[in-house]
Amino acid sequence: EADIYQTPRYLVIGTGKKITLECSQTMGHDKMYWYQQDPGMELHLIHYSYGVNSTEKGDLSSESTVSRIRTEHFPLTLESARPSHTSQYLCASRFIGPNTEAFFGQGTRLTVV
Amino acid sequence: RKEVEQDPGPFNVPEGATVAFNCTYSNSASQSFFWYRQDCRKEPKLLMSVYSSGNEDGRFTAQLNRASQYISLLIRDSKLSDSATYLCVVSPGSGAGSYQLTFGKGTKLSVIP
Repeated sequence: EADIYQTPRYLVIGTGKKITLECSQTMGHDKMYWYQQDPGMELHLIHYSYGVNSTEKGDLSSESTVSRIRTEHFPLTLESARPSHTSQYLCASRFIGPNTEAFFGQGTRLTVV
Repeated sequence: RKEVEQDPGPFNVPEGATVAFNCTYSNSASQSFFWYRQDCRKEPKLLMSVYSSGNEDGRFTAQLNRASQYISLLIRDSKLSDSATYLCVVSPGSGAGSYQLTFGKGTKLSVIP
């Protein structure tokens, strides 16, 4: 089993609230990723990090922000949640190097009402 | 042309059948290739890496064709439990952009009794 954890697993929150989705891994992985996925649809990369103090935006524009202060921790924050943010958010991590697989957390299913 | 293309399916096959999926990629510098499996409303999990010489894991066989830039997945003796979406994943593996993991949209497989 992969040692990558996301909390909360499910979150229902009102419009305008600030939320932080947590992602932690204990595998010492350099690279971490956040993906957004709607039911039955493809994964969209929204943020990634090479390592501590490194964060970049992904292919899909997102109003969220991320930070990487510690290797093992890569939280995602929405300053003001909107119904359009309703989706599943998946965190992943991997080592730098060829042929290194990515491990995914179980995801956070966010509903903004 | 999309970076990674897969036939979305669905592929509806009877138990015991053999089914094959193909995935084409556009970046000739790609070095790392993977097949992931994603069950409904779950996170993707690595099914197998794809090596240049091809590789087999039980009922699953993966092949890489660099000249034509595609990878394939063959499932023999399909089980009901094989029903899932199969994601093709490609990465440059090293150098600039080595962080990249490009996911296909996935191919949906339904194995029917």
